[in-house]
Amino acid sequence: AQSVTQLDSQVPVFEEAPVELRCNYSSSVSVYLFWYVQYPNQGLQLLLKYLSGSTLVESINGFEAEFNKSQTSFHLRKPSVHISDTAEYFCALIPQGAGSYQLTFGKGTKLSVIP
Amino acid sequence: KAGVTQTPRYLIKTRGQQVTLSCSPISGHRSVSWYQQTPGQGLQFLFEYFSETQRNKGNFPGRFSGRQFSNSRSEMNVSTLELGDSALYLCASSLQGWDGYTFGSGTRLTVV
Repeated sequence: AQSVTQLDSQVPVFEEAPVELRCNYSSSVSVYLFWYVQYPNQGLQLLLKYLSGSTLVESINGFEAEFNKSQTSFHLRKPSVHISDTAEYFCALIPQGAGSYQLTFGKGTKLSVIP
Repeated sequence: KAGVTQTPRYLIKTRGQQVTLSCSPISGHRSVSWYQQTPGQGLQFLFEYFSETQRNKGNFPGRFSGRQFSNSRSEMNVSTLELGDSALYLCASSLQGWDGYTFGSGTRLTVV
């Protein structure tokens, strides 16, 4: 079985400050990793994904995440946050080679950007 | 291109009734999955379909069922509704499944 742990349920940060949202996973097989963002009363939006290749992946809005296999982590970072980044962020995985592709999600981290 | 479309957006039902939720995936996507989101349990997997075949089912009672049509559109049905079924139901589609899913805006179901 697989699991995803998001270590912080809430993260307050001042505008223009850096932020790191932590994600650790557990799996007996290799995994694909994802970060999703959810704004109030909306569905989930894919922020970025790690499928293979470079362990550092970037999104178009300045977020980046680094896959660390030895530490089984996939932390999300942004060097300077904006008010519009206030949302809930979910880390998720899909196990490779399973024949079925269900996402296992963490409990989410609520990012609050303070003006 | 159009995203994943879920209908209806909001639904209020009475205990004991049944409900059908609809999902139209992105054109060309053959994998469709459903998730339930609640404040207490978070995001939980319901079903995954690929080319009309259910590939996987989550740990939900038999009252929850689903299907996928030949045009990849999908429906899920919940019978004998309980108060605890109140949740946001999210549909997601993908080309392959492993390459990541695009989610719809969800259907907010309230059972009274």
